[in-house]
Amino acid sequence: QTQLVQSGAEVKKSGSSVRVACKASGNRFTYNYVHWVRQAPGQALEWMGWITPFNGETHYAQKFQDRVTIVTDRSMSTADLELNSLRSEDTAMYYCANGGLGDFGHWGPGTLVTVSS
Amino acid sequence: QSALTQPPSASGSPGQSVTMSCTGTSSDVGAYKFVSWYQQHPGKAPKLIIYEVNKRPSGVPDRFSGSKSGNTASLTVSGLQAEDEADYYCSSYGGSDNSIFGTGTKVTVL
Repeated sequence: QTQLVQSGAEVKKSGSSVRVACKASGNRFTYNYVHWVRQAPGQALEWMGWITPFNGETHYAQKFQDRVTIVTDRSMSTADLELNSLRSEDTAMYYCANGGLGDFGHWGPGTLVTVSS
Repeated sequence: QSALTQPPSASGSPGQSVTMSCTGTSSDVGAYKFVSWYQQHPGKAPKLIIYEVNKRPSGVPDRFSGSKSGNTASLTVSGLQAEDEADYYCSSYGGSDNSIFGTGTKVTVL
């Protein structure tokens, strides 16, 4: 069963950018979509968008459309999240999750991104 | 699209059943079979426990069951155990390639 590995915690300044990496162990994503989901401290899960590692097609939640990019390297089985113009409200745990279009079967352990002024 | 509505909390004694709801609209929960449920223990990543309304992934106990009626989906945990104490989130495909999560329900085992 594919496991997802994520990059380490980040501390960023307001206005800067962050890139969070997600890699499938065994060099293969099990399902067709890699989603990114975030969770602010004490808050609910929030879906951000997905990428299909097969062809790099992406789709983003409207809320993040102008600030987020998800990129993939099919040969490396990675699907990374880039979030720009960071603000304090972006402080959250960021999860990658491999699944179908409407579900999230395998989850990474999460990467804590802290945004400070 | 707004988050799906879940009750903030639910509770039950060991061995009892607890049911929690997930209310959306005719554009998400009511429109598609792609409703899923996730269990999240403190400090851990969520875990898929129900997909496509009522299917269980391999390894998930049959104490967990899902259903849907109209715009509301439900998760029932039967034979409640101490390890079931966690946060539970529903999710639905929302059309146009979007997904939506619920507000979450904290389950307490008394």
